Amino acid sequence: DIQLTQSPSFLSASVGDRVTITCRASQGISSYLAWYQQKPGKAPKLLIYAASTLQSGVPSRFSGSGSGTEFTLTISSLQPEDFATYYCQQLNSYPPWGFGPGTKVDIK
Amino acid sequence: EVQLVESGGGLVQPGGSLRLSCAASGFTFSSYWMSWVRQAPGKGLEWVANIKQDGSEKYYVDSVKGRFTISRDNAKNSLYLQMNSLRAEDTAVYYCARVGVYYDFWSGYFNWFDPWGQGTLVTVSS
Repeated sequence: DIQLTQSPSFLSASVGDRVTITCRASQGISSYLAWYQQKPGKAPKLLIYAASTLQSGVPSRFSGSGSGTEFTLTISSLQPEDFATYYCQQLNSYPPWGFGPGTKVDIK
Repeated sequence: EVQLVESGGGLVQPGGSLRLSCAASGFTFSSYWMSWVRQAPGKGLEWVANIKQDGSEKYYVDSVKGRFTISRDNAKNSLYLQMNSLRAEDTAVYYCARVGVYYDFWSGYFNWFDPWGQGTLVTVSS
């Protein structure tokens, strides 16, 4: 099975900061990667699919890039509502479609 | 409005059974793959199972194979997860999610999970 790692696992940042989260796959997955945001006590919310396609309604300060084994999620200017945990998910071919371990973005 | 609402969670003893339901509305349920994802307390997300539109294909994470069964009733716009032989490590919030799809001629099918339900808590404890 394909394994995902995320770095960092925890990130402390200030409002207005540019934030970058990295997701690495144990083998190439082309662009079959999605990113989600989860706030405490809430269901995950889709941000990006196909590695770089922004889901409708998601603010343009979020962007995704990468292909193969290395991917990034970037928040260009962190807003108060962006403090949350972020997960990547690989959806290469058939399941299992596993998730990365998550990156918690906290207030500095 | 596209909506998924889970129900059926609760407290169950180890070795017991539970059936989760997910009611879908606001979209053509029979046109989509569906999925279950769980999250143990304080932990990350774990994909559990997927089911094809007509129920003819099902996939499971290794840790639940032989114990959990995913199913659907397209006439009732409902998704189910039958959980048997439950263990303490199955304790989690269980989410249902719709599997979105986009076809690209050069790259094939891209998928994602959206929307998600609000989740239902399953606690396995004596």
